Parts: sequence; C-alpha cells; structure tokens
Amino acid sequence: TQLLEQSPQFLSIQEGENLTVYCNSSSVFSSLQWYRQEPGEGPVLLVTVVTGGEVKKLKRLTFQFGDARKDSSLHITAAQPGDTGLYLCAGALDSWGKLQFGAGTQVVVTP
Amino acid sequence: NAGVTQTPKFQVLKTGQSMTLQCAQDMNHNSMYWYRQDPGMGLRLIYYSASEGTTDKGEVPNGYNVSRLNKREFSLRLESAAPSQTSVYFCASSEMGYEQYFGPGTRLTVT
Repeated sequence: TQLLEQSPQFLSIQEGENLTVYCNSSSVFSSLQWYRQEPGEGPVLLVTVVTGGEVKKLKRLTFQFGDARKDSSLHITAAQPGDTGLYLCAGALDSWGKLQFGAGTQVVVTP
Repeated sequence: NAGVTQTPKFQVLKTGQSMTLQCAQDMNHNSMYWYRQDPGMGLRLIYYSASEGTTDKGEVPNGYNVSRLNKREFSLRLESAAPSQTSVYFCASSEMGYEQYFGPGTRLTVT
C-alpha cells in the first residue's frame, strides 16, 4: 500500500520553465523529506520539513509542508538541465527513522 | 570521507543461490537501513537497525535476513534467491533518525 502518492509520475519541460511536484497522503507525518536521485546513484537528501505550513527555499527550489502535515510540494523555478532526476518524497513514520517513500516523479529538463 | 559504501555493485544469481550484500558507513551513525527499489514502487524498507545490536523488520522482509555486525556494518542476506528479488538494493544510514544518507546501490538480477 502506497501511503504517499506523488504526482505527476513523469514531467518533461524545457529549460527556463517552472514545475511543481506534489506529494499527498491521508496520514499525518512528523516530518517529510525530499530526495533527488540520478541514474545509477542513491537518493540524495534535498530538504526536511517539520512544521505544518513550513516553506523552505533551496536556491531555485521551494518546498512546502501542508498545514495538516499530510502533503507537500516541490516547486522549481526556471528549471535547468541539471535539475533532471527522480524526485522522491518520504514521510517519517516513527521516531526511529522509518520512512515511507512515494513512487517518485521523473523530471526531465531539456535545453 | 566515503559516506556509505556497498558491495558488490552488480550481481547475477541463479534461482536458489545465496548471497550477502555488504554495507558500511563511516559517519558514526547509529541507525542503518536496507531498501529495495523497483520501477514504479519507490523505495521499500526491508530491514532496519535503530542501533548496534538491534534489527527490525520493515515493509518487505520476507526472503531476507540481516546482521548488524558492528556500528559501521550492516549486511543483507538472501538465503535462496528468487526472480522476484531482482531489484536495486540500497543501504542507508542516519544519525538524526530521519535524514538518511544512501549508498550507491547494488543491482541484483536473479535468473
């Protein structure tokens, strides 16, 4: 059972365009993380959001945690080819670090 | 600083063969995890070790065993490999319990 639903599954855009990836659940998470994974490599942590309504910015990436801590979004402004990758959200299930991952959104940015 | 290392990087097994995937981290993290990643499924937790000397089942533990050899090392064993275990396996570690650092993965094919 996939507790975390990511949408869209695939996104192909031109360089300079904006994009948003969504992560939704019916469960409440104590925190939520976003990772980016490139082909042949392991996921790399981008950000952790903890407080409902929290907004974090990482250069051109903006992350938001829903007020009820059930959903999150990742917005990329003026996407670049280097933003290409699989974006994964993961919600914390307990205090021991067990994470529930979404299936991922594959983002392709073409020059 | 190597972070999380995994061996081997690639492996092909025949049905019924056994093998052990090795994982080591040099960040002095207490918690370690084993995941499998299949297309469209995201990352699913197989087993985790919250601290040295403890291991617990994750979402998909059947067909696997683990050993937390010491604080640095956490191995995953397939006693009798099955084609359904064809996947990419990732080891991860964390200190905070939530922010996980991943290895490069082991690509396993069972024929």
